[in-house]
Amino acid sequence: DTGVSQNPRHKITKRGQNVTFRCDPISEHNRLYWYRQTLGQGPEFLTYFQNEAQLEKSRLLSDRFSAERPKGSFSTLEIQRTEQGDSAMYLCASSARLQSTDTQYFGPGTRLTVL
Amino acid sequence: GNSVTQMEGPVTLSEEAFLTINCTYTATGYPSLFWYVQYPGEGLQLLLKATKADDKGSNKGFEATYRKETTSFHLEKGSVQVSDSAVYFCALLFNDYKLSFGAGTTVTVRA
Repeated sequence: DTGVSQNPRHKITKRGQNVTFRCDPISEHNRLYWYRQTLGQGPEFLTYFQNEAQLEKSRLLSDRFSAERPKGSFSTLEIQRTEQGDSAMYLCASSARLQSTDTQYFGPGTRLTVL
Repeated sequence: GNSVTQMEGPVTLSEEAFLTINCTYTATGYPSLFWYVQYPGEGLQLLLKATKADDKGSNKGFEATYRKETTSFHLEKGSVQVSDSAVYFCALLFNDYKLSFGAGTTVTVRA
């Protein structure tokens, strides 16, 4: 059973650098989500794809953030000109719209530290 | 707005004790409700869910009942083990795709 995978698991970068994270969803899941989790808090919704279409972006996503899901498979989340406030765990989840209620399955996350 | 409020931790228990973590929600309509668990060093895992009023979700000895009249979804387990030590998150699903999480409750079970 292959779950959601994320790479890298950890990323340390200097302020002002660009970083890119990758998420591989569960095979055949048509929905993909990005969340951000800071220490001591629950995950917060960032954005959502259905197949290759990005259907919603949270106001938490400034214009320095961009996400893509080419061909409706894996997804990338890029942060340009990183700031210390971007330090967080970035979580990816996927789901399949098979029943009336989606269940989202989460990956292990990418922990970003901005120095 | 759509949000959940869950009991603040940390919670420390002895093995075989009874565990309750309170969760209440605010939502328009009737959202689906979830409990996720995060074990040390691991990712978020779905523990249980309920999709409509009076539904009871259960898994690994944990239970939670969707109570519309009290807008609650409290998590319970009758006899905890050391392996239940984790962070527990209550969440609701709204707009068909967006999860709103509580802040999490850290549970530590001592042998």
